[in-house]
Amino acid sequence: GAVVSQHPSWVICKSGTSVKIECRSLDFQATTMFWYRQFPKQSLMLMATSNEGSKATYEQGVEKDKFLINHASLTLSTLTVTSAHPEDSSFYICSARGGTGGVLADTQYFGPGTRLTVL
Amino acid sequence: SQQGEEDPQALSIQEGENATMNCSYKTSINNLQWYRQNSGRGLVHLILIRSNEREKHSGRLRVTLDTSKKSSSLLITASRAADTASYFCATDGSGYSTLTFGKGTMLLVSP
Repeated sequence: GAVVSQHPSWVICKSGTSVKIECRSLDFQATTMFWYRQFPKQSLMLMATSNEGSKATYEQGVEKDKFLINHASLTLSTLTVTSAHPEDSSFYICSARGGTGGVLADTQYFGPGTRLTVL
Repeated sequence: SQQGEEDPQALSIQEGENATMNCSYKTSINNLQWYRQNSGRGLVHLILIRSNEREKHSGRLRVTLDTSKKSSSLLITASRAADTASYFCATDGSGYSTLTFGKGTMLLVSP
């Protein structure tokens, strides 16, 4: 149980285009989803936290107008990189946490990641 | 900001040997979690230890937590080549909150 999927696995796009990445919790309801980015050989950096039905909370330094997050349902959150540029190339990983109390609430379950390359 | 700091940064061992990775953190925590990441892949949750626990086992994994020293260790016994990956510790400060990840330890297990 507690499986999180991401789509697509990788994407290559031209500079200036927008890219949407989906994160789904397959077998549990995710009240909270998190979006991270990871540069090569580095750790995960939290970009934003989203709760179902409310606006995402962005970490300091993350442009909310550039990285649009929508958490419209308990099983789906999307990250849209708007007007992507080469410096946005990175590995984007989502995670999901379910409910309050219990193991699902304490643990973040991670998706397999999406590698974005902007030419 | 990152709180957990793992050491060593990289570790190379032979199959069958044990691997120990350490993690230190700065502020109080509700729990500490260890994750594994294979190259270019997502993170796999390994084990969670709560602040009132001192030791936890899961298969070949053994995690300890010393809240007085603000440190944790992950021991992998009888390592296998398939254990080759990066290992991250992550702290949860107040429960139901965001995780703060360390920089990770790259483990290479040679056959």
